[in-house]
Amino acid sequence: SQQGEEDPQALSIQEGENATMNCSYKTSINNLQWYRQNSGRGLVHLILIRSNEREKHSGRLRVTLDTSKKSSSLLITASRAADTASYFCATDPNSGGYQKVTFGTGTKLQVIP
Amino acid sequence: EAGVTQFPSHSVIEKGQTVTLRCDPISGHDNLYWYRRVMGKEIKFLLHFVKESKQDESGMPNNRFLAERTGGTYSTLKVQPAELEDSGVYFCASKASRPGELFFGEGSRLTVL
Repeated sequence: SQQGEEDPQALSIQEGENATMNCSYKTSINNLQWYRQNSGRGLVHLILIRSNEREKHSGRLRVTLDTSKKSSSLLITASRAADTASYFCATDPNSGGYQKVTFGTGTKLQVIP
Repeated sequence: EAGVTQFPSHSVIEKGQTVTLRCDPISGHDNLYWYRRVMGKEIKFLLHFVKESKQDESGMPNNRFLAERTGGTYSTLKVQPAELEDSGVYFCASKASRPGELFFGEGSRLTVL
């Protein structure tokens, strides 16, 4: 089954506004990660939050994790045109064996200057 | 430190032909993943190597896809014979240990005509 479904699928905001993206997943996790993909480029890791953490900050990024609801959110504050990209959450499962890190469909963010 | 490199960056082939994609992970990373993104949809897991062993190949679409990882270093993904629906961007990622972030290559865009 697919893990990591992002919501909304697309988001358009003005520069300076905040952008919030949500991610829901289905099974237990060890950690959840957020990635950014600029058009035509590879994915870049943004932030990792472990299952025993509830909130994490990195610069203008704020990630929350609610394991009881199996959901996470990524907040980008004071957005810039350069933040225009697709954002993906990825789940790293809680398992003693090796399992796949799975991604969702992503949220396409457009920041209008 | 060199990142994950993929070759070719773009390949255009006719239906029925063969294509081989290559991925060089970050040196020392035992974990290597292949993913595919088709037409802006989800980033779909294909398979996971730990060193030279296939740990999980549950995402491989069919037996037209063959992945190898020689000596636990670089990996190749061969598609033979290619079909139209194989078009998409193939991403490779490597990871040093689990759990942890994935480091992605820029992707190989495959177009099957």
